[in-house]
Amino acid sequence: DAGVIQSPRHEVTEMGQEVTLRCKPISGHDYLFWYRQTMMRGLELLIYFNNNVPIDDSGMPEDRFSAKMPNASFSTLKIQPSEPRDSAVYFCASSFGVYNEQFFGPGTRLTVL
Amino acid sequence: AQTVTQSQPEMSVQEAETVTLSCTYDTSESDYYLFWYKQPPSRQMILVIRQEAYKQQNATENRFSVNFQKAAKSFSLKISDSQLGDAAMYFCAYRSSMGDYKLSFGAGTTVTVRA
Repeated sequence: DAGVIQSPRHEVTEMGQEVTLRCKPISGHDYLFWYRQTMMRGLELLIYFNNNVPIDDSGMPEDRFSAKMPNASFSTLKIQPSEPRDSAVYFCASSFGVYNEQFFGPGTRLTVL
Repeated sequence: AQTVTQSQPEMSVQEAETVTLSCTYDTSESDYYLFWYKQPPSRQMILVIRQEAYKQQNATENRFSVNFQKAAKSFSLKISDSQLGDAAMYFCAYRSSMGDYKLSFGAGTTVTVRA
Protein backbone atom coordinates (compact mmCIF):
# COMPACT_ATOMS: atom_id res chain seq x y z
CA ASP A 1 0.00 0.00 0.00
CA ALA A 2 1.29 3.48 -0.82
CA GLY A 3 0.24 4.94 2.50
CA VAL A 4 -1.47 8.27 2.93
CA ILE A 5 -0.64 10.58 0.04
CA GLN A 6 -0.60 14.34 0.34
CA SER A 7 -0.01 16.97 -2.27
CA PRO A 8 1.70 19.26 -2.70
CA ARG A 9 4.61 18.59 -0.35
CA HIS A 10 5.48 22.27 -0.30
CA GLU A 11 3.36 25.29 -1.11
CA VAL A 12 4.45 28.89 -1.14
CA THR A 13 1.79 31.49 -1.76
CA GLU A 14 1.07 35.12 -1.16
CA MET A 15 -1.33 36.50 1.37
CA GLY A 16 -4.85 36.62 0.08
CA GLN A 17 -4.49 33.72 -2.31
CA GLU A 18 -6.55 30.57 -2.15
CA VAL A 19 -4.70 27.42 -1.11
CA THR A 20 -5.92 23.86 -1.58
CA LEU A 21 -4.26 20.93 0.10
CA ARG A 22 -5.06 17.41 -1.00
CA CYS A 23 -5.11 14.04 0.67
CA LYS A 24 -5.65 10.48 -0.45
CA PRO A 25 -6.20 8.15 2.50
CA ILE A 26 -5.21 4.53 2.62
CA SER A 27 -7.69 2.42 0.71
CA GLY A 28 -10.33 0.91 2.99
CA HIS A 29 -9.83 3.38 5.81
CA ASP A 30 -13.04 4.99 7.00
CA TYR A 31 -11.66 7.79 9.16
CA LEU A 32 -9.73 10.79 7.88
CA PHE A 33 -8.11 13.48 10.00
CA TRP A 34 -6.55 16.84 9.18
CA TYR A 35 -3.91 18.17 11.60
CA ARG A 36 -1.84 21.34 11.66
CA GLN A 37 1.62 21.59 13.18
CA THR A 38 3.19 24.90 14.22
CA MET A 39 5.98 25.81 16.57
CA MET A 40 3.65 27.82 18.75
CA ARG A 41 0.69 25.44 19.01
CA GLY A 42 2.24 22.07 18.25
CA LEU A 43 0.05 19.44 16.58
CA GLU A 44 -3.64 20.17 16.64
CA LEU A 45 -6.60 18.47 15.04
CA LEU A 46 -8.55 20.63 12.63
CA ILE A 47 -11.32 18.31 11.47
CA TYR A 48 -12.08 14.66 10.98
CA PHE A 49 -14.40 12.63 8.78
CA ASN A 50 -16.07 9.26 9.14
CA ASN A 51 -17.29 7.63 5.94
CA ASN A 52 -16.83 10.96 4.14
CA VAL A 53 -19.01 12.84 6.64
CA PRO A 54 -17.45 15.60 8.78
CA ILE A 55 -17.81 14.60 12.43
CA ASP A 56 -15.95 17.27 14.36
CA ASP A 57 -14.73 20.52 12.87
CA SER A 58 -14.28 22.35 16.17
CA GLY A 59 -10.57 22.69 15.52
CA MET A 60 -10.99 24.64 12.30
CA PRO A 61 -9.58 28.05 13.18
CA GLU A 62 -12.01 30.24 11.31
CA ASP A 63 -14.31 30.51 8.34
CA ARG A 64 -11.40 30.92 5.99
CA PHE A 65 -10.76 27.20 6.42
CA SER A 66 -12.96 24.56 4.84
CA ALA A 67 -12.58 20.84 4.28
CA LYS A 68 -14.39 18.41 2.06
CA MET A 69 -14.37 14.71 1.41
CA PRO A 70 -16.33 14.06 -1.78
CA ASN A 71 -15.51 10.36 -1.78
CA ALA A 72 -13.66 7.73 0.23
CA SER A 73 -10.39 8.28 -1.58
CA PHE A 74 -10.01 12.04 -1.60
CA SER A 75 -10.16 15.00 0.74
CA THR A 76 -9.24 18.66 0.46
CA LEU A 77 -8.44 21.38 2.94
CA LYS A 78 -8.93 24.85 1.54
CA ILE A 79 -7.82 28.19 2.94
CA GLN A 80 -9.37 31.26 1.37
CA PRO A 81 -8.00 33.88 1.74
CA SER A 82 -4.68 32.73 3.14
CA GLU A 83 -2.75 34.73 5.75
CA PRO A 84 0.87 34.55 6.94
CA ARG A 85 -0.25 33.05 10.26
CA ASP A 86 -1.57 30.03 8.35
CA SER A 87 2.02 29.02 7.61
CA ALA A 88 2.44 25.54 9.07
CA VAL A 89 2.78 21.89 8.19
CA TYR A 90 -0.58 20.31 7.48
CA PHE A 91 -0.94 16.57 7.98
CA CYS A 92 -3.60 14.22 6.81
CA ALA A 93 -4.08 10.90 8.60
CA SER A 94 -6.40 7.97 8.12
CA SER A 95 -7.46 4.92 10.10
CA PHE A 96 -9.65 1.88 9.78
CA GLY A 97 -12.08 2.12 12.60
CA VAL A 98 -11.74 4.63 15.32
CA TYR A 99 -9.74 2.43 17.68
CA ASN A 100 -6.97 1.63 15.28
CA GLU A 101 -3.74 3.36 14.47
CA GLN A 102 -3.84 6.62 12.57
CA PHE A 103 -1.45 6.56 9.64
CA PHE A 104 -0.05 9.94 8.75
CA GLY A 105 0.85 11.35 5.39
CA PRO A 106 4.16 13.16 4.80
CA GLY A 107 2.57 16.55 5.36
CA THR A 108 2.34 19.73 3.30
CA ARG A 109 4.56 22.61 4.35
CA LEU A 110 2.63 25.78 3.64
CA THR A 111 4.31 29.16 3.59
CA VAL A 112 2.17 32.25 3.18
CA LEU A 113 4.17 35.38 2.40
CA ALA B 1 -9.96 18.75 26.30
CA GLN B 2 -7.26 16.49 27.61
CA THR B 3 -3.85 17.99 28.31
CA VAL B 4 -0.67 16.13 27.46
CA THR B 5 2.57 17.44 28.91
CA GLN B 6 6.08 16.61 27.83
CA SER B 7 8.41 18.44 30.17
CA GLN B 8 11.65 17.70 28.33
CA PRO B 9 12.10 19.82 25.19
CA GLU B 10 15.38 18.05 24.36
CA MET B 11 17.21 14.90 25.35
CA SER B 12 20.62 13.65 24.30
CA VAL B 13 21.81 10.06 24.46
CA GLN B 14 24.99 8.23 23.57
CA GLU B 15 24.67 5.56 20.93
CA ALA B 16 23.88 2.16 22.49
CA GLU B 17 22.73 3.79 25.73
CA THR B 18 19.21 4.16 27.10
CA VAL B 19 17.08 7.29 27.23
CA THR B 20 13.72 7.83 28.89
CA LEU B 21 11.20 10.42 27.74
CA SER B 22 8.55 11.70 30.12
CA CYS B 23 4.88 12.28 29.47
CA THR B 24 2.03 13.14 31.79
CA TYR B 25 -1.59 13.70 30.93
CA ASP B 26 -4.74 14.96 32.51
CA THR B 27 -8.02 13.12 32.16
CA SER B 28 -11.10 12.17 34.12
CA GLU B 29 -11.74 9.10 32.00
CA SER B 30 -10.91 5.57 33.06
CA ASP B 31 -10.46 4.10 29.61
CA TYR B 32 -8.34 5.66 26.91
CA TYR B 33 -5.36 5.11 24.64
CA LEU B 34 -1.86 6.50 24.81
CA PHE B 35 0.65 6.66 22.00
CA TRP B 36 4.21 7.63 21.24
CA TYR B 37 4.87 8.95 17.75
CA LYS B 38 8.26 9.58 16.19
CA GLN B 39 8.83 12.44 13.76
CA PRO B 40 12.22 12.30 12.03
CA PRO B 41 13.54 15.18 9.91
CA SER B 42 11.52 13.81 6.99
CA ARG B 43 8.42 15.04 8.91
CA GLN B 44 6.68 11.69 8.62
CA MET B 45 4.76 10.83 11.80
CA ILE B 46 5.43 7.21 12.71
CA LEU B 47 3.68 5.30 15.47
CA VAL B 48 6.23 3.85 17.85
CA ILE B 49 4.07 2.25 20.50
CA ARG B 50 0.56 2.29 21.92
CA GLN B 51 -0.96 1.45 25.28
CA GLU B 52 -4.55 0.76 26.23
CA ALA B 53 -5.36 2.14 29.66
CA TYR B 54 -7.27 -0.96 30.72
CA LYS B 55 -4.17 -3.09 30.22
CA GLN B 56 -1.84 -3.12 33.20
CA GLN B 57 1.01 -4.68 31.29
CA ASN B 58 3.40 -2.17 29.80
CA ALA B 59 3.64 -2.25 26.02
CA THR B 60 6.92 -3.18 24.35
CA GLU B 61 8.04 -2.94 20.75
CA ASN B 62 11.58 -4.18 20.22
CA ARG B 63 13.89 -1.55 21.75
CA PHE B 64 10.98 0.68 22.76
CA SER B 65 9.04 0.17 25.96
CA VAL B 66 6.74 2.23 28.11
CA ASN B 67 6.24 2.69 31.82
CA PHE B 68 2.52 3.29 32.23
CA GLN B 69 1.50 4.53 35.66
CA LYS B 70 -2.26 5.01 35.48
CA ALA B 71 -2.75 6.44 38.96
CA ALA B 72 0.00 8.96 38.40
CA LYS B 73 -1.20 9.64 34.83
CA SER B 74 2.30 9.08 33.57
CA PHE B 75 3.39 7.42 30.34
CA SER B 76 7.15 7.42 29.76
CA LEU B 77 8.99 5.97 26.79
CA LYS B 78 12.26 4.13 27.14
CA ILE B 79 14.52 3.70 24.14
CA SER B 80 17.12 1.02 24.77
CA ASP B 81 20.32 0.50 22.80
CA SER B 82 19.85 3.85 21.09
CA GLN B 83 20.73 4.05 17.43
CA LEU B 84 21.52 6.99 15.20
CA GLY B 85 18.23 6.41 13.42
CA ASP B 86 16.35 7.07 16.63
CA ALA B 87 17.19 10.76 16.38
CA ALA B 88 13.87 12.52 15.96
CA MET B 89 11.17 14.42 17.75
CA TYR B 90 8.94 12.21 19.85
CA PHE B 91 5.35 13.06 20.64
CA CYS B 92 3.18 11.61 23.33
CA ALA B 93 -0.53 11.51 22.45
CA TYR B 94 -3.81 10.75 24.17
CA ARG B 95 -7.06 9.55 22.72
CA SER B 96 -10.34 8.93 24.45
CA SER B 97 -12.07 5.59 24.02
CA MET B 98 -15.53 7.17 24.02
CA GLY B 99 -16.95 9.70 21.62
CA ASP B 100 -14.00 11.97 21.08
CA TYR B 101 -11.58 10.19 18.80
CA LYS B 102 -9.07 12.91 18.13
CA LEU B 103 -5.46 12.66 19.22
CA SER B 104 -4.23 15.24 21.70
CA PHE B 105 -0.49 15.68 21.39
CA GLY B 106 2.18 16.89 23.75
CA ALA B 107 4.69 19.54 22.68
CA GLY B 108 7.30 16.96 21.76
CA THR B 109 10.81 16.02 22.86
CA THR B 110 13.75 16.24 20.48
CA VAL B 111 16.10 13.29 20.86
CA THR B 112 19.69 13.61 19.72
CA VAL B 113 21.87 10.50 19.47
CA ARG B 114 25.62 11.00 19.83
CA ALA B 115 27.90 8.67 17.94
